[in-house]
Amino acid sequence: NAGVTQTPKFQVLKTGQSMTLQCAQDMNHNSMYWYRQDPGMGLRLIYYSASEGTTDKGEVPNGYNVSRLNKREFSLRLESAAPSQTSVYFCASSKREGDEQFFGPGTRLTVL
Amino acid sequence: QQPVQSPQAVILREGEDAVINCSSSKALYSVHWYRQKHGEAPVFLMILLKGGEQKGHDKISASFNEKKQQSSLYLTASQLSYSGTYFCGTEWKGGSYIPTFGRGTSLIVHP
Repeated sequence: NAGVTQTPKFQVLKTGQSMTLQCAQDMNHNSMYWYRQDPGMGLRLIYYSASEGTTDKGEVPNGYNVSRLNKREFSLRLESAAPSQTSVYFCASSKREGDEQFFGPGTRLTVL
Repeated sequence: QQPVQSPQAVILREGEDAVINCSSSKALYSVHWYRQKHGEAPVFLMILLKGGEQKGHDKISASFNEKKQQSSLYLTASQLSYSGTYFCGTEWKGGSYIPTFGRGTSLIVHP
C-alpha cells in the first residue's frame, strides 16, 4: 500500500501561471482533503470531499478549485497563481469524516 | 476559528515530561492530535471523543475536558523521537466533521 501519494513534490511557478496538484489514495477512503501549511500558521483547510461526488469549501478556498475525479483521486487546481499561494500543500484522506487522517508527503510550491 | 495551543515551544531533556494544551472558544465534539517531524507529513496520534472514548497511541496520553472546551496531551519520559511539532484539531458541536487545526507546539528533546 502506497497510502496517500502526491505529485509533484516541488514546483516553481510564475505569477499568473496555472497548475494542478494531484493526489491519490489506495486505502478505499471516502473522505479527502487539501490543506496548505505556512510557517507559524498550522494546517489550514482549502477544500474537502466528504465522499465521491461531493466537494466543499474549507477555511481558505479563494484562488483554488478542486475535482474529486473518482474515489481514489482528488486534485487541486490553481487557475492563476499568486505569490501568496507559495506554501506547502498536503493532501489527506480518512475512512469517513471525523476519522483519523492520513497525509501525503506534501508539495512545496513557490510562486515568483 | 483555530484552537489555541500552548505553549508555542518546549525544550526538554530525554526522560522529562511535557504537557501541551489545546483550547477552543466553541463547544467541542472531539479533539484530534497529530505530530509532524521537520520536512515530513503530519502523523496521527489520537482522537478524543465526547464522553471519554479515546482512540490512538499507547505511549502518549491525553485528556479531553468537554466543559472547559480543552484538551491536554501528556508526553511522559520523553524520548528523542518525540521531537517535532504537535497539532491539535478540534471539531465543533454543530459544525462540520472536519477538524480545525491549531498553530502547533514545537517540542525539542535533547539527549
